[in-house]
Amino acid sequence: KQEVTQIPAALSVPEGENLVLNCSFTDSAIYNLQWFRQDPGKGLTSLLLIQSSQREQTSGRLNASLDKSSGRSTLYIAASQPGDSATYLCAVRANTGNQFYFGTGTSLTVIP
Amino acid sequence: DGGITQSPKYLFRKEGQNVTLSCEQNLNHDAMYWYRQDPGQGLRLIYYSQIVNDFQKGDIAEGYSVSREKKESFPLTVTSAQKNPTAFYLCASSPIDRGRNLDTQYFGPGTRLTVL
Repeated sequence: KQEVTQIPAALSVPEGENLVLNCSFTDSAIYNLQWFRQDPGKGLTSLLLIQSSQREQTSGRLNASLDKSSGRSTLYIAASQPGDSATYLCAVRANTGNQFYFGTGTSLTVIP
Repeated sequence: DGGITQSPKYLFRKEGQNVTLSCEQNLNHDAMYWYRQDPGQGLRLIYYSQIVNDFQKGDIAEGYSVSREKKESFPLTVTSAQKNPTAFYLCASSPIDRGRNLDTQYFGPGTRLTVL
């Protein structure tokens, strides 16, 4: 069964700092990987989707990379802002079956 | 507005009672999902459905039931058989492309269920 891990579980940074969030998965046979943002008590909002054939995706200050062979993905946030404070989750979908497997998330706090 | 709605936002239940959580989407998505989220844990899949009148169990289906009578609706019933139902419940939907593969998921705002 696919296992998805996110390290660190929590992270605090001063405003303006660049940061990297990590996601690792045990089975490299994935169809795609997705990064989500979750605000307290709310649903998930999709940030970036990387297909298995892609190496990275960018949206504004966010850049997600995928190294399928090593089972890793990173989410890079440039010039962090207090509004970026949230929990960030990654999820992978396997090549077979129709389930998405989620990590436990990284809780990010950007200090003004 | 297109999107996914869940109701109610907060729900309280007495032990031994069944309760039904609503999920509706107007995105014309074929696939719908129910997840449970507990503090410090990732989302765990309860049930999912790819087509009307068909659904599959996820990793933690025991104590839950679903129906998919309409494409837009995927209600979840938490039965009295669920031993620890207090949690945050999230519904999601996803399109299915021509290759019958699933793409990104779109989530509702969630329902927080508390058993008293």
